[in-house]
Amino acid sequence: GAVVSQHPSRVICKSGTSVKIECRSLDFQATTMFWYRQFPKKSLMLMATSNEGSKATYEQGVEKDKFLINHASLTLSTLTVTSAHPEDSSFYICSARVEDRGSGGYTFGSGTRLTVV
Amino acid sequence: RKEVEQDPGPFNVPEGATVAFNCTYSNSASQSFFWYRQDCRKEPKLLMSVYSSGNEDGRFTAQLNRASQYISLLIRDSKLSDSATYLCVVNVRGAQKLVFGQGTRLTINP
Repeated sequence: GAVVSQHPSRVICKSGTSVKIECRSLDFQATTMFWYRQFPKKSLMLMATSNEGSKATYEQGVEKDKFLINHASLTLSTLTVTSAHPEDSSFYICSARVEDRGSGGYTFGSGTRLTVV
Repeated sequence: RKEVEQDPGPFNVPEGATVAFNCTYSNSASQSFFWYRQDCRKEPKLLMSVYSSGNEDGRFTAQLNRASQYISLLIRDSKLSDSATYLCVVNVRGAQKLVFGQGTRLTINP
């Protein structure tokens, strides 16, 4: 089945540094990917929709200059958390829609747990 | 008002019990409905889609009431392995993104 590979699974970084998270669709082409953030005991909150070859669409309240999204190919989308701070510590998950599966065909990456110290 | 609302629980029930989860959604343009399961520190995984006619998959039964904008999930003969957080998820017509409820945490006790 369709697989989205997300790396790294866990990262610890210092305040002020930037962290890049990658999501790759391994056996299908993903023109659109979704980036979510999840705080402990909370649900997934959509941050942005990543579109291949064009600018990402950010949800209200999400700083596009802080969370840089690049979707340069049909199989790779990246999220860069710039100048990270402890409040950015969270679980980040990407997702892609698999076009031939109808509305139920969303597949998720395994997530990245970011800790900013 | 949240787009998708669930009782966060937690629900603690004995093995073998029947558990019911409820969910309401606010956007009448919602067209697709799902229950996802999420284990601790893992990504969510599709449990089942929800159809207006109701659908069943083994011990799991999902119901949708479009008039009331209400979705339910019933788990019969619960197993220890059913312990997880259950997410009610909605897709709005014309939008590709999924909207997640806050999740209901379930613990099955031996």
